Amino acid sequence: GESVGLHLPTLSVQEGDNSIINCAYSNSASDYFIWYKQESGKGPQFIIDIRSNMDKRQGQRVTVLLNKTVKHLSLQIAATQPGDSAVYFCAENIGSGGGADGLTFGKGTHLIIQP
Amino acid sequence: NAGVMQNPRHLVRRRGQEARLRCSPMKGHSHVYWYRQLPEEGLKFMVYLQKENIIDESGMPKERFSAEFPKEGPSILRIQQVVRGDSAAYFCASSMSRDLGGYTFGSGTRLTVV
Repeated sequence: GESVGLHLPTLSVQEGDNSIINCAYSNSASDYFIWYKQESGKGPQFIIDIRSNMDKRQGQRVTVLLNKTVKHLSLQIAATQPGDSAVYFCAENIGSGGGADGLTFGKGTHLIIQP
Repeated sequence: NAGVMQNPRHLVRRRGQEARLRCSPMKGHSHVYWYRQLPEEGLKFMVYLQKENIIDESGMPKERFSAEFPKEGPSILRIQQVVRGDSAAYFCASSMSRDLGGYTFGSGTRLTVV
């Protein structure tokens, strides 16, 4: 089965609100996590990553939280904009130092921005 | 500095034909990864290559699929005798090193088998 999964297939938020996209993973050996954004007809675009020795990492308007106790990952997007509409995937890597081969992706959450 | 270039963007093949998908990594990147994405699904890892070497092909189907990354030229994902179930988007990513944070994806090739 899937090593990485997402709780909701679709998330609808009002423009300007904060969005929280969740992800659960099952393999406690996973030590590197990435969030990707995929717009229609395009390839995944890197948003932010986090290693297992951290529990929080911030970027521009985005924050990733990692809770290793419950094997949960979340992506917070502040002040959601229309351009944030996309499918968001979490991905994990199992291996020391994040250098192993290939990522395991979840199925994705479609973020819809309401005007 | 062009990104990862994949061609063709769309490919239609009849059952039994061969499909050849090309991926030119970013300049200076010598690590290439191929992924497959079925509709409404996440990406599935297929194969990881460095120049002239297959490093990890644990995600490749055992038959009909092959990949190469020659010393010169793009990486090629080859699917022989295609079947309807091969219809998917195939994405290539490249990186300068095995640091996965440096992964850059191409826009994909959408294969339709009719």
